[in-house]
Amino acid sequence: GENVEQHPSTLSVQEGDSAVIKCTYSDSASNYFPWYKQELGKRPQLIIDIRSNVGEKKDQRIAVTLNKTAKHFSLHITETQPEDSAVYFCAASIPENQGGKLIFGQGTELSVKP
Amino acid sequence: DAGITQSPRHKVTETGTPVTLRCHQTENHRYMYWYRQDPGHGLRLIHYSYGVKDTDKGEVSDGYSVSRSKTEDFLLTLESATSSQTSVYFCAISDGLDQETQYFGPGTRLLVL
Repeated sequence: GENVEQHPSTLSVQEGDSAVIKCTYSDSASNYFPWYKQELGKRPQLIIDIRSNVGEKKDQRIAVTLNKTAKHFSLHITETQPEDSAVYFCAASIPENQGGKLIFGQGTELSVKP
Repeated sequence: DAGITQSPRHKVTETGTPVTLRCHQTENHRYMYWYRQDPGHGLRLIHYSYGVKDTDKGEVSDGYSVSRSKTEDFLLTLESATSSQTSVYFCAISDGLDQETQYFGPGTRLLVL
């Protein structure tokens, strides 16, 4: 079945620097790749997603890139701010006729130091 | 927050007792999911539902059962709780138009002593 690997598990950057989190997946049929941000004690919140017919998607300081051939996708955060500190999860879909399932990576704890 | 609530939000129970967690949505979404979250494991799917009375297993379903008798409610039951089921449980929902996009409830923190 689908397996999603996420790296690094922890990431510390200075405020204003960029942060990159990478994920690889195993099922070539996966076609939807969301990213979630989870602050301490809160629920995961969708921050950006990409579908397999698109190579890159941007939303202000956040961008996601997808390489279907290599089966990896990445989250890029530019001009990081302390409020970006959180755990970030990637996921890949398992397409099914009765509801898409998501397989999540293990998470990356991002710390942005002022 | 996508009209999803979970109850209870916190629970402490003893090994061997049954526990039922409830997920309630007001969005009339077709698909509902139960995940558990543990350090180092991310979010793992326990069970999911694609309609009333239609459910299926996820990757960590052993020791759990679910029921969905109404569109708005999805119940997760631990028949006989064990310490390994201490975790944070999240419910998620998705709609039929963009069914892969999932939105999460606030979570239930369960401690099994």
